[in-house]
Amino acid sequence: QKEVEQDPGPLSVPEGAIVSLNCTYSNSAFQYFMWYRQYSRKGPELLMYTYSSGNKEDGRFTAQVDKSSKYISLFIRDSQPSDSATYLCAMNGGNNRLAFGKGNQVVVIP
Amino acid sequence: GAGVSQSPSNKVTEKGKDVELRCDPISGHTALYWYRQSLGQGLEFLIYFQGNSAPDKSGLPSDRFSAERTGGSVSTLTIQRTQQEDSAVYLCASSWGQETQYFGPGTRLLVL
Repeated sequence: QKEVEQDPGPLSVPEGAIVSLNCTYSNSAFQYFMWYRQYSRKGPELLMYTYSSGNKEDGRFTAQVDKSSKYISLFIRDSQPSDSATYLCAMNGGNNRLAFGKGNQVVVIP
Repeated sequence: GAGVSQSPSNKVTEKGKDVELRCDPISGHTALYWYRQSLGQGLEFLIYFQGNSAPDKSGLPSDRFSAERTGGSVSTLTIQRTQQEDSAVYLCASSWGQETQYFGPGTRLLVL
């Protein structure tokens, strides 16, 4: 079993819809959780960062962490065509290396 | 401010040649990381530097891969005797603490 599971299937939504992405993990030592956005042929860009369990909101983006279920989510409200990108979850347990999911390609259709 | 920069942005080489990839981290970031991103594989950790030392090089896939960091700043990832399976995007990241890592644009390596 991989440390981080993210269903890599592409996701197409109409503009204005809510995008819901999630990852599960197996390592209970993980305590730092991140979402990165990666545009085509660019490096990953840090989008959201959460420490331990809880919710964090930043504009149209909400990140949720449920450590008891080993489950994290990212919600994008009022999605825009500019949100079309690959979204990667990542987590860290204090050993400095990030463990990544495989990423979800999101396409927001105008 | 300036982000993480990497060079070259693209590299095409022949099988068996050596390549060097360069990373300039964000100024003041003490930690530096190398990852590899292959199609269908996601991001794979290669090596971590704290200052000039590499306490974790467990992700390097073979002894053909090596990395160094000088002056607590610039890092070079070297791949000797490249193989076709080395073709990937090599990403560098830097951080101040252990939480948030900031990535460069990557070097796209193609081994023919």
